[in-house]
Amino acid sequence: AQTVTQSQPEMSVQEAETVTLSCTYDTSESNYYLFWYKQPPSRQMILVIRQEAYKQQNATENRFSVNFQKAAKSFSLKISDSQLGDTAMYFCAFMIGQGGSEKLVFGKGTKLTVNP
Amino acid sequence: DTGVSQDPRHKITKRGQNVTFRCDPISEHNRLYWYRQTLGQGPEFLTYFQNEAQLEKSRLLSDRFSAERPKGSFSTLEIQRTEQGDSAMYLCASSPPDSYEQYFGPGTRLTVT
Repeated sequence: AQTVTQSQPEMSVQEAETVTLSCTYDTSESNYYLFWYKQPPSRQMILVIRQEAYKQQNATENRFSVNFQKAAKSFSLKISDSQLGDTAMYFCAFMIGQGGSEKLVFGKGTKLTVNP
Repeated sequence: DTGVSQDPRHKITKRGQNVTFRCDPISEHNRLYWYRQTLGQGPEFLTYFQNEAQLEKSRLLSDRFSAERPKGSFSTLEIQRTEQGDSAMYLCASSPPDSYEQYFGPGTRLTVT
């Protein structure tokens, strides 16, 4: 069974600074996808960034980037120039690739607070 | 382009009552997913549909739970004889053809008293 572990229940960062959220996963599959989702307080889940396991290049979306270490099964999220609107729960998620289960397996989340 | 919508947004019910939730996916999205999220946890997969076919069900989906997607568009999730342990946020997500990205709705928060 696939598992996703987020070891930091809560983190805080000052506005404009950089923060890194950790995620590790366990799988025997070789073809899979990894995601970071953001869930602001009382608002819906939003996809932040995605990474295909077969791609060696780390994904980047504006201020958000990942450090994907396939051998270590690690998938951390870096948020640069943090903004107050980045305050949210962040969930790391895993999905088996084509031909496998379509479900997302989520970690327990990291609560990020951006302080002014 | 509207996103995934869910109705109702909040539901309070007494233990033992039946409840039904509705999810309307993004237009043209052929896959639809249901997840459950309890306080302090990440969402957990319940079931998923491709068009009208229910292709996978989690062991979390006891026989009191049933989900349908009769015409391959909207979906309903029914919980019979609700228990206090059913209190959670029920999330719906949809995905377009040839994509692995899932887009989530705002959720239905169920409170069983």
